[in-house]
Amino acid sequence: EDQVTQSPEALRLQEGESSSLNCSYTVSGLRGLFWYRQDPGKGPEFLFTLYSAGEEKEKERLKATLTKKESFLHITAPKPEDSATYLCAVQGNGGSNYKLTFGKGTLLTVNP
Amino acid sequence: GAGVSQSPSNKVTEKGKDVELRCDPISGHTALYWYRQRLGQGLEFLIYFQGNSAPDKSGLPSDRFSAERTGESVSTLTIQRTQQEDSAVYLCASSRTDRIQYFGPGTRLTVL
Repeated sequence: EDQVTQSPEALRLQEGESSSLNCSYTVSGLRGLFWYRQDPGKGPEFLFTLYSAGEEKEKERLKATLTKKESFLHITAPKPEDSATYLCAVQGNGGSNYKLTFGKGTLLTVNP
Repeated sequence: GAGVSQSPSNKVTEKGKDVELRCDPISGHTALYWYRQRLGQGLEFLIYFQGNSAPDKSGLPSDRFSAERTGESVSTLTIQRTQQEDSAVYLCASSRTDRIQYFGPGTRLTVL
């Protein structure tokens, strides 16, 4: 069974204070790892997908990296508008290769 | 273009009543998914449609839950004889391939 564990559960940063969120996973053959952002009362918004170890993707202040066991979401010089819950999900190559298995998320708060 | 839409955005019902939740996927997306998000928990897969066929209903929590889809369009998730433990946000997603899933805003269901 695919599993995803995200840490920390919550993170408070000052504006401009860079940090990283962790996503550890176990999956029977990785088809893709996905990062989403979720604001209160809204659905998850797609950020990145990574397919193989060593891959990196960037978007504005966010950078996602992938190893064979975990992914990191690096946030450089965050702003208050980056405050949200960040969700990590995996898609495996097993029989149910379409469904996403999600972690519980990291609630990020960036104070001005 | 238009994203995934869901209705209603909020639904309050009494225990024992039936409810119907609706999802309009992104035009041209053949795959459609339903997930449930309970407070403090990760998103939980419910059901997957490819076209109007549902090859995987394994995530439906009980036989009180059912879903259907008309062609490659609208889907409805029906919960019969609602229980308090059904209270959650129900999220719908769609994708063009079995890869990046785009989510709607969700329906918040409260069972009194």
